[in-house]
This record gives sequence, structure tokens and C-alpha cells, in this order.
Amino acid sequence: EDQVTQSPEALRLQEGESSSLNCSYTVSGLRGLFWYRQDPGKGPEFLFTLYSAGEEKEKERLKATLTKKESFLHITAPKPEDSATYLCAVRPVGSQGNLIFGKGTKLSVKP
Amino acid sequence: DAGVTQSPTHLIKTRGQQVTLRCSPISGHKSVSWYQQVLGQGPQFIFQYYEKEERGRGNFPDRFSARQFPNYSSELNVNALLLGDSALYLCASSLANLGYEQYFGPGTRLTVT
Repeated sequence: EDQVTQSPEALRLQEGESSSLNCSYTVSGLRGLFWYRQDPGKGPEFLFTLYSAGEEKEKERLKATLTKKESFLHITAPKPEDSATYLCAVRPVGSQGNLIFGKGTKLSVKP
Repeated sequence: DAGVTQSPTHLIKTRGQQVTLRCSPISGHKSVSWYQQVLGQGPQFIFQYYEKEERGRGNFPDRFSARQFPNYSSELNVNALLLGDSALYLCASSLANLGYEQYFGPGTRLTVT
């Protein structure tokens, strides 16, 4: 069964304290891995797409990496405005384009 | 350019009633997907439509149905509402069926009492 597991469930950082979020996945074949940011009560905001192991994408303080079994979202020198829930999703080979999401990591950055 | 829009923003219904949620995709996008997100969980896939045809269906009962119109907007219908249907309903649009990023709307918060 295709599934996505994110860890930790919650992460509290001080402003400027870098860390990483993990997304482990089990799929028969991967057509893409996606990272989203979600603020409370709002829809997910697209961040990155990764397609193959070894691929990396960066945007401001965020960097996403991909291996054959997991992806990491590295946050460098976070600021309070980075506080949100970060969702990881996979699109399995053979799916009709639907995404399978993890439960997310809730990040809190304190000033 | 406008993003994905959804209406209404919030909705309160009683058990047994029916509800219709609406979604307008990003201009030029031909695929619309619907997801249900229960508090504390990730979104769960309900339906995908591309070029007005159903292309995928998640593990939801037949009380859930959807359609896509010629202008690529979409409606999600839920009949015989249950308390467990209370959730944030998200619509996502993408350029085409496969291989493209999905961009989400703000969602419709449905509360069933």
C-alpha cells in the first residue's frame, strides 16, 4: 500500500535555529514528490516538486532533497513567519494524478 | 492571475442534508481534484476530473459525487450528510492530468451538526 510518513509531528525552533523535516514514503513507483506549506484554516501552498533521487530544490530559507526512500525539507535560519504545517505528498506511478499526503509537521518558530 | 477559488467559505448543515461545493480553477488549467482534510490529518483524495471526465476516485462512499463543466469549473456534491463529513474540502487545479503540480484553493469549511 502506498503511504507517506512525516516526522516529527511537531517541531519547535528558536529563530535562527536550523533543522530538517523528514518525509518517508512507500510507493510501487514514484512519479513525483511534493512539498506544501499550510497555514491554519487555509489551503496548502505549493513549494517544491522533486522527481528523482539526488534532486534538490531551494527557495529562500527552504531546501528540499530526495532519496529513493525519503525526502528532507531543510530550514536554514528560520524566522517566525516560517511557522506553519508542512505537508509532503507523493504521486505514485499508475495513479490518475491524485496525491497521497502525509499528516504533516507543525513547525513553530519563536522569536 | 487569480488562483483557485472556492465557494462558499464556510457552511453549516444538519445531518441528512445535501451540500454542493464549488470550485473555479486557475485560468488555463483543465484538471480539478477534490480532497477532504479532517483536522490534524493530511488531505485525502476524493475525485479528479480532466476535460470534464472523471479520471480518478478515492475511497469515499457513493454519497459523494462531482462533475466538471465546459469552463473547467467543478462542483462536489455530498448527500445524506453525516457528522463525520465535517472537514475542510479542498479543490486543486493543474494544467493537465498527469505530471503537473496541483495548486490548492482556500477550501470550504463544512460543519455538520
